[in-house]
Amino acid sequence: QITLKESGPTLVKPTQTLTLTCTFSGFSLSTSGVAVGWIRQPPGKALEWLAVIYWDDDKRYSPSLRSRLTITKDTSKNQVVLAMTDTDPVDTATYYCAHSNPANYGDYVFDCWGQGTLVTVSS
Amino acid sequence: SYEVTQPPSVSVSPGQTARITCSGDALPKQYAFWYQQKPGQAPVLVIYKDTERPSGIPERFSGSTSGTTVTLTISGVQAEDEADYYCQSSDSSGAYVVFGGGTKLTVL
Repeated sequence: QITLKESGPTLVKPTQTLTLTCTFSGFSLSTSGVAVGWIRQPPGKALEWLAVIYWDDDKRYSPSLRSRLTITKDTSKNQVVLAMTDTDPVDTATYYCAHSNPANYGDYVFDCWGQGTLVTVSS
Repeated sequence: SYEVTQPPSVSVSPGQTARITCSGDALPKQYAFWYQQKPGQAPVLVIYKDTERPSGIPERFSGSTSGTTVTLTISGVQAEDEADYYCQSSDSSGAYVVFGGGTKLTVL
């Protein structure tokens, strides 16, 4: 059974760096094709894709946020970390991490999601 | 950057058919995927690769495609289908992911 859980600060001050950790179980990020992605959702608004990291350390980023995002993985700990620099109140959102295996449903498809973590950016 | 467009809302009565569209220039080249999200919950994949249904998803959920538009169809809508539905795809080169703005399905 695949599970993912997001963790990190609930409150961040503007201009600070937000660091979120996704801890997962039920799969290995060293398995060919597997990926973990981050998606966020501002309150009452739509989903927004942020980044994805693959088993081979290939990384993809949202073009609009590329300069502010860094995604990394620690395969031994079953964790993926997303760092977002220079935060702003508009970054207030629920942040989700999610599992992807192109062999299952296709590339970039997120078939299992964490519960999400709400991050507020405010002074 | 690339975008896919959904109607903000769709309303149907129980037992009727709901159709939610998603339009984008790259949809003839890139697959579309559909997620259902209920309040306070994470999204759930209901359609992948335009027309395929994951195991465990009711048969009343189906997908179709025509040119630059893909459609999620829910036949015999039930009250439990009331949710937000999101279309997901990629730019023409497959470099990044885009989500539509979401469609709120209301069951009258």
